[in-house]
Amino acid sequence: KAGVTQTPRYLIKTRGQQVTLSCSPISGHRSVSWYQQTPGQGLQFLFEYFSETQRNKGNFPGRFSGRQFSNSRSEMNVSTLELGDSALYLCASSRPGTGTNSPLHFGNGTRLTVT
Amino acid sequence: DQQVKQNSPSLSVQEGRISILNCDYTNSMFDYFLWYKKYPAEGPTFLISISSIKDKNEDGRFTVFLNKSAKHLSLHIVPSQPGDSAVYFCAASATFSGGYNKLIFGAGTRLAVHP
Repeated sequence: KAGVTQTPRYLIKTRGQQVTLSCSPISGHRSVSWYQQTPGQGLQFLFEYFSETQRNKGNFPGRFSGRQFSNSRSEMNVSTLELGDSALYLCASSRPGTGTNSPLHFGNGTRLTVT
Repeated sequence: DQQVKQNSPSLSVQEGRISILNCDYTNSMFDYFLWYKKYPAEGPTFLISISSIKDKNEDGRFTVFLNKSAKHLSLHIVPSQPGDSAVYFCAASATFSGGYNKLIFGAGTRLAVHP
């Protein structure tokens, strides 16, 4: 079974630009979550999507947004990039949300560098 | 305010011995706890989890212990192997207040297993 796939693996952008990251979850997984990993802040929750709806949101500014498509694939967008947005962005998926806990399975991330 | 704390940034253990990684949390609403392992340039890999209704869960060489009164959990790896060398993250979620997929991560502990 293929794992969570994130594209691209690496991205270099300039301050003020916007960026879109893509995530394909494990087949059959309908929940997709996004996390930001930085050396100083560790892994921080951005948002979660389930059945094309944002189900949960972390404490990030409105410049960070996402969406989920009917095939469960998800995209994350960051507008007006700042230097502090440089980070590893991780996508994770889990099996259908039934109200019970199931572990998140992570992709290898997209390394975003803002110059 | 760090809700999940891993106070040891690094741990060095001899091959074949036990590795004990510790994690403390402050939010009494947390009811699901997980451990992830992360190699460089890869996403976190799920290791083992435990629900707050249990105090121990085993999976092969990995055992997680939960002490709810002390708000403390630990991961035991026995016997430790060189391939276990990685960064280990403790994570927690509050099913009915934060959402099952909104994980709060600790800062990680770097485990080095040497021959």
